[in-house]
Amino acid sequence: DAKTTQPNSMESNEEEPVHLPCNHSTISGTDYIHWYRQLPSQGPEYVIHGLTSNVNNRMASLAIAEDRKSSTLILHRATLRDAAVYYCILRSGYALNFGKGTSLLVTP
Amino acid sequence: DTAVSQTPKYLVTQMGNDKSIKCEQNLGHDTMYWYKQDSKKFLKIMFSYNNKELIINETVPNRFSPKSPDKAHLNLHINSLELGDSAVYFCASSPYSGATDTQYFGPGTRLTVL
Repeated sequence: DAKTTQPNSMESNEEEPVHLPCNHSTISGTDYIHWYRQLPSQGPEYVIHGLTSNVNNRMASLAIAEDRKSSTLILHRATLRDAAVYYCILRSGYALNFGKGTSLLVTP
Repeated sequence: DTAVSQTPKYLVTQMGNDKSIKCEQNLGHDTMYWYKQDSKKFLKIMFSYNNKELIINETVPNRFSPKSPDKAHLNLHINSLELGDSAVYFCASSPYSGATDTQYFGPGTRLTVL
């Protein structure tokens, strides 16, 4: 599986936008870019996914670089409830192969 | 109304014992998974079943045996428990088994082997 690189941690103020980067320079043409997050003491939760075009849903936006070698998860207004580990995952098959993720701290 | 449920939530047991963790989903999904999250917080796929048939079996000791009595249930039985089996085990389900489907995770079972 192609690998992803994310910062270990990021910090944001409440109610400000957050941009979580992910590098995936070895992505293949069939890899979808998925984002999941894991709140403390909970199971992972789906956030968003995309292939080539930018995607929006009620939780977040996903911006995908034109060469697909990087992507950015955008939380438009961070809340305290968004404090979690965010995982960027490349997926072409059944399983989700989680990396280390980015631990997002949101401060009031 | 829990979508994916696991029992028990916590499991503390002695080395050498045999234990089971149960998982049920009420989403009508065809595919179910078991993941293990170790003390360093790495989440790794262990098994996946699609319509009661095994489709993923990662490098997991054969002391671990999944059993799917029906589409809504995927249980994990562990024989001869070892200290290294201590982890949080997550069950998940998805509508089918492809690169675009969404997986829904249970709350996890924290297994502690003493």
